[in-house]
Amino acid sequence: AQSVSQHNHHVILSEAASLELGCNYSYGGTVNLFWYVQYPGQHLQLLLKYFSGDPLVKGIKGFEAEFIKSKFSFNLRKPSVQWSDTAEYFCAVTGDNYGQNFVFGPGTRLSVLP
Amino acid sequence: GAVVSQHPSWVICKSGTSVKIECRSLDFQATTMFWYRQFPKQSLMLMATSNEGSKATYEQGVEKDKFLINHASLTLSTLTVTSAHPEDSSFYICSAGWVNTGELFFGEGSRLTVL
Repeated sequence: AQSVSQHNHHVILSEAASLELGCNYSYGGTVNLFWYVQYPGQHLQLLLKYFSGDPLVKGIKGFEAEFIKSKFSFNLRKPSVQWSDTAEYFCAVTGDNYGQNFVFGPGTRLSVLP
Repeated sequence: GAVVSQHPSWVICKSGTSVKIECRSLDFQATTMFWYRQFPKQSLMLMATSNEGSKATYEQGVEKDKFLINHASLTLSTLTVTSAHPEDSSFYICSAGWVNTGELFFGEGSRLTVL
């Protein structure tokens, strides 16, 4: 069965600091990888996704993520965070059986201090 | 992106009553919708896959008689929590998307509080 782990439960940063949120997955086959963000009081939104090709993917709002197959990782990065990036971030993976195998990580809460 | 909307966003009910939550795809047709439950400070747990015109597929451990799912049209799926109890209090989220891209769009969520 698939599983997704995220390294940190809560990350606190000051504005302009660099961000890296860890995500590791466990799955034996081809995977599609996602990062979703949930701003306070809002619904989940897609930040970026990886299906194939260039393992470094760029998403919205300056976020990027790198797929490292050998490490089963898909870490999220942003060079300089803003207060508005305060949110909950979820890594997710889906395998061959789209939907029913769409598994979310436990989430990482990011708090950016002004 | 596509829009998925849930209603109500917040509902409080008495123990023993039933509550219906609607999930609508506003600008696309969804043959498949997904219902999740999110416990405080935890991730989303897939409850069931709702299929238009057929029975929902429930995940292991989810009571199908308690959480009734109806997907009567290509834009609407409903989740009915029957005979709700305080332990059913949670945040329920639906999603829909496209099979060929594997991309899901999420509703705003519905917070259920059972007194």
